[in-house]
Amino acid sequence: EAGVTQFPSHSVIEKGQTVTLRCDPISGHDNLYWYRRVMGKEIKFLLHFVKESKQDESGMPNNRFLAERTGGTYSTLKVQPAELEDSGVYFCASSPFRGRETQYFGPGTRLLVL
Amino acid sequence: DQQVKQNSPSLSVQEGRISILNCDYTNSMFDYFLWYKKYPAEGPTFLISISSIKDKNEDGRFTVFLNKSAKHLSLHIVPSQPGDSAVYFCAASDPAGGTSYGKLTFGQGTILTVHP
Repeated sequence: EAGVTQFPSHSVIEKGQTVTLRCDPISGHDNLYWYRRVMGKEIKFLLHFVKESKQDESGMPNNRFLAERTGGTYSTLKVQPAELEDSGVYFCASSPFRGRETQYFGPGTRLLVL
Repeated sequence: DQQVKQNSPSLSVQEGRISILNCDYTNSMFDYFLWYKKYPAEGPTFLISISSIKDKNEDGRFTVFLNKSAKHLSLHIVPSQPGDSAVYFCAASDPAGGTSYGKLTFGQGTILTVHP
């Protein structure tokens, strides 16, 4: 069974540009989460999808961030326009049902905004 | 306001000895705790968890202890092996986050190095 995949693995952009990150969860997993780790600090929750619906987006930093999950399958996270403080590693995780089940993480996308 | 804290950025241990990683939390609503391990250039992988109704959970070489009154948990690895060298994250979730039951709050991580 394929794990959670994320694309791209790395992205270097200039301040003011737009970047779109993609996450493909494990097939059949209804729950999809986005997290971010900035400069070796804690991993912070961004938002949670259940199928195609946003269940909780309380961790989204501001309206420059837009997440979508078309058809309840893959998800994209767009940053527009990117700022220096958006640099970090963006992780996606998925789990099959709501509750305390294990979240499976992807390898992350390393974003550097110059 | 960081609700989950790992105050030791790093820990160095000799192979075969015990590794003890610590984690403190402030939110008394947290009722489920997890440890994740992360290798470089990879995502975190689940290691072990514990519910607040328990004070200990074991899985092979890994044991997690929970002290609710102190709002403290620890991960013991016995015996430690060089392959255990990684970043270890403590995480917690609370049922009061009713709209996002699975939302995890992480600590900053502790880098564990096990020397042969």
